[in-house]
Amino acid sequence: EPEVTQTPSHQVTQMGQEVILRCVPISNHLYFYWYRQILGQKVEFLVSFYNNEISEKSEIFDDQFSVERPDGSNFTLKIRSTKLEDSAMYFCASIPGGTFYGYTFGSGTRLTVV
Amino acid sequence: AQSVTQPDIHITVSEGASLELRCNYSYGATPYLFWYVQSPGQGLQLLLKYFSGDTLVQGIKGFEAEFKRSQSSFNLRKPSVHWSDAAEYFCAVGARAGGTSYGKLTFGQGTILTVHP
Repeated sequence: EPEVTQTPSHQVTQMGQEVILRCVPISNHLYFYWYRQILGQKVEFLVSFYNNEISEKSEIFDDQFSVERPDGSNFTLKIRSTKLEDSAMYFCASIPGGTFYGYTFGSGTRLTVV
Repeated sequence: AQSVTQPDIHITVSEGASLELRCNYSYGATPYLFWYVQSPGQGLQLLLKYFSGDTLVQGIKGFEAEFKRSQSSFNLRKPSVHWSDAAEYFCAVGARAGGTSYGKLTFGQGTILTVHP
């Protein structure tokens, strides 16, 4: 069964550093999402992306965050200057569009900011 | 705005006992409803989903859920719990954002399930 792949599975970065989280959605999917889950808390929506532009973003997704789909396969989340409170599990998800069967989530990237 | 409430933060059951995890949602129309399970440090696994039609939906691992529009609920049930079901369970609501776009998922706070032998 096709999967959404996220790399790396765990990333440690120093506060203030830029980090890029990578996702490879399922090849024929058209809608892409990033979610985050701070340890012990619920999963929160960050941003949705369709047709090479942001469809919707949450209050969390401020100017420190950006997304892009640079090459038609990867979907990246960049955090420009990481803060301690950015430490979380970040999940990528995608859906094909057309008939809706539900969201396919990746296994996540655990980001630890030290 | 859509929202999800899972009233039980932590539930403990004995192995073999029945289970019901509660989920209430708020949304202006018929939503898409999901239950996900997450083991510690792991990703989100889809247990089941409701889009339309039969209000009782079957999922993986012997779970089922019933959509009750009048109560705005989508409770998850299992007749006999196994020790391997210990995990955190998230209810989520999603909606079509408009036109051909699909909106975000909104998750509940989660219910941690502990299973005693």
